[in-house]
Amino acid sequence: AQKITQTQPGMFVQEKEAVTLDCTYDTSDPSYGLFWYKQPSSGEMIFLIYQGSYDQQNATEGRYSLNFQKARKSANLVISASQLGDSAMYFCAMREGGVTGGGNKLTFGTGTQLKVEL
Amino acid sequence: DVKVTQSSRYLVKRTGEKVFLECVQDMDHENMFWYRQDPGLGLRLIYFSYDVKMKEKGDIPEGYSVSREKKERFSLILESASTNQTSMYLCASSLKGTSTDTQYFGPGTRLTVL
Repeated sequence: AQKITQTQPGMFVQEKEAVTLDCTYDTSDPSYGLFWYKQPSSGEMIFLIYQGSYDQQNATEGRYSLNFQKARKSANLVISASQLGDSAMYFCAMREGGVTGGGNKLTFGTGTQLKVEL
Repeated sequence: DVKVTQSSRYLVKRTGEKVFLECVQDMDHENMFWYRQDPGLGLRLIYFSYDVKMKEKGDIPEGYSVSREKKERFSLILESASTNQTSMYLCASSLKGTSTDTQYFGPGTRLTVL
């Protein structure tokens, strides 16, 4: 079974609108972390936001927020007030287990290509 | 700011050649990772290292090896390149013991094997 599932291969959004990118995950470990990365056409992966499994509040970073629904095992990324520069591939990733300090691996989803239109 | 650099942005090699991909980070991170990225498959972990001279296999280590002789440098080696190793290769590093263990990525190397 896929550990990280991103069901939207591509999405379009109008400039200044909000958009939600879906991510569901599968783990039996009570301690885990969820990440979102952005990959513009230049190729570099840019870290956007992090949510820990024990965090009580949804993570927010500027225009990015993570809609964390633990019971549903979903960690959707919400981008508010979309900009043309938000056009990119977006990846959801999970670290299983707590932060032990020893090379914790990430498992990535297949990504969602977001296109922001005028 | 964390800086992760990779030796080449684009590389073209022939089948059977030995290929070295170099990654250097300047933030004293203990953990380093090599991924390959293919359309529709996302990023898949090849190898990672959590200390100098330490290495562990990821999900797809076949056909690859790694070397970590210094803390800041992590090399990926294709012993005998094959066409199915044509891909984008991404290196990442992270600091041990942080609250999030966030990985920071280099710009990637697009490798073509002819």
